[in-house]
Amino acid sequence: GAVVSQHPSWVICKSGTSVKIECRSLDFQATTMFWYRQFPKQSLMLMATSNEGSKATYEQGVEKDKFLINHASLTLSTLTVTSAHPEDSSFYICSADRADTQYFGPGTRLTVL
Amino acid sequence: AQTVTQSQPEMSVQEAETVTLSCTYDTSESNYYLFWYKQPPSRQMILVIRQEAYKQQNATENRFSVNFQKAAKSFSLKISDSQLGDTAMYFCAFMKGTYKYIFGTGTRLKVLA
Repeated sequence: GAVVSQHPSWVICKSGTSVKIECRSLDFQATTMFWYRQFPKQSLMLMATSNEGSKATYEQGVEKDKFLINHASLTLSTLTVTSAHPEDSSFYICSADRADTQYFGPGTRLTVL
Repeated sequence: AQTVTQSQPEMSVQEAETVTLSCTYDTSESNYYLFWYKQPPSRQMILVIRQEAYKQQNATENRFSVNFQKAAKSFSLKISDSQLGDTAMYFCAFMKGTYKYIFGTGTRLKVLA
């Protein structure tokens, strides 16, 4: 149990375009989901906390207008990277909270050309 | 503010041997959770073990066990009978309240054949 999926697993886009990443909890409902960014050989950096039916809470330094988060249902949260630039290239990971434990998706590799 | 420290950036162990990864944390809270996650080359974050601070008994999961020393604020992970599949990055994490994790910087473990 406690499976989280992410789609797509990898995406390549042109600079200036927007990209949407989906995070789904497959076998449980998640009121709270999280979005992380991970640079090579580094730890996970929390970007925002996503709560179903309310606005996301962004960490300091994360541009909320650039990284749009929507958590419209108890099983789906989306992260949209708007007007992507090469510096947004990274590995993005979501997680969903279940019983005070986070279960992670497999991640999405974003490359912006 | 809570902090989590993993002082061993890299470690190696021979197959079938035992290895211990260290983690210390700083908090003034009395009730909280501690976790160990494994991130293999696939980059999927996998929950290894979870400890609730109010429980004195150390958590175990098959070959994985922890040594939780609340007064010393120490939470080490012991891997017994190491297997090649244990090769991964291991992250220690602290959680209190808002479900946000504080991650350590990780320990890269390599199991040698």
